[in-house]
Amino acid sequence: DQQVKQNSPSLSVQEGRISILNCDYTNSMFDYFLWYKKYPAEGPTFLISISSIKDKNEDGRFTVFLNKSAKHLSLHIVPSQPGDSAVYFCAAISFNKFYFGSGTKLNVKP
Amino acid sequence: GAGVSQSPSNKVTEKGKDVELRCDPISGHTALYWYRQRLGQGLEFLIYFQGNSAPDKSGLPSDRFSAERTGESVSTLTIQRTQQEDSAVYLCASSLRGYEQYFGPGTRLTVT
Repeated sequence: DQQVKQNSPSLSVQEGRISILNCDYTNSMFDYFLWYKKYPAEGPTFLISISSIKDKNEDGRFTVFLNKSAKHLSLHIVPSQPGDSAVYFCAAISFNKFYFGSGTKLNVKP
Repeated sequence: GAGVSQSPSNKVTEKGKDVELRCDPISGHTALYWYRQRLGQGLEFLIYFQGNSAPDKSGLPSDRFSAERTGESVSTLTIQRTQQEDSAVYLCASSLRGYEQYFGPGTRLTVT
């Protein structure tokens, strides 16, 4: 039973445009959400996070939005750059246990 | 570098053999996690160590899987009598506080 889902396995965006990556979850007890970025042959690296008491967190080109009523999380990257091409995982935390989505592969075309 | 390291980076083993995977966390990090990522799937939680507390083993898929951690240092994940479905990338992560985890590069296990 997958509690965190990323329904788009891939996304292709033109350089300079906005990338929107989506994530849905089922457990209302999740109290913290994170996005990780993964390049091939490397471990995931932390990108940005948001507490369940907030609905938006911004860090440079990256903004995470949380819609608790819809149990939906999104990551916006603007403007997108070719170096952003990677697999993005969303994760949710409940009682120190992390639940990850299956990832979305982002391709930013120059 | 002071990041999380894992060894070996790749391991090919025959079905039925035991394997041992190693994780060296960042020095001082009290929490350590093991995950498994099968091809085309997300990260699957296996086990969580926090300081000297009893580990959370709720993610271990079977009794063939076990893990140990000595204090706040090295951890080993052991898979006994490997099966083909154990083939995956095994990732280790450590953290000091809060929720930010630092991941190692993973060990790619192939069971033939």
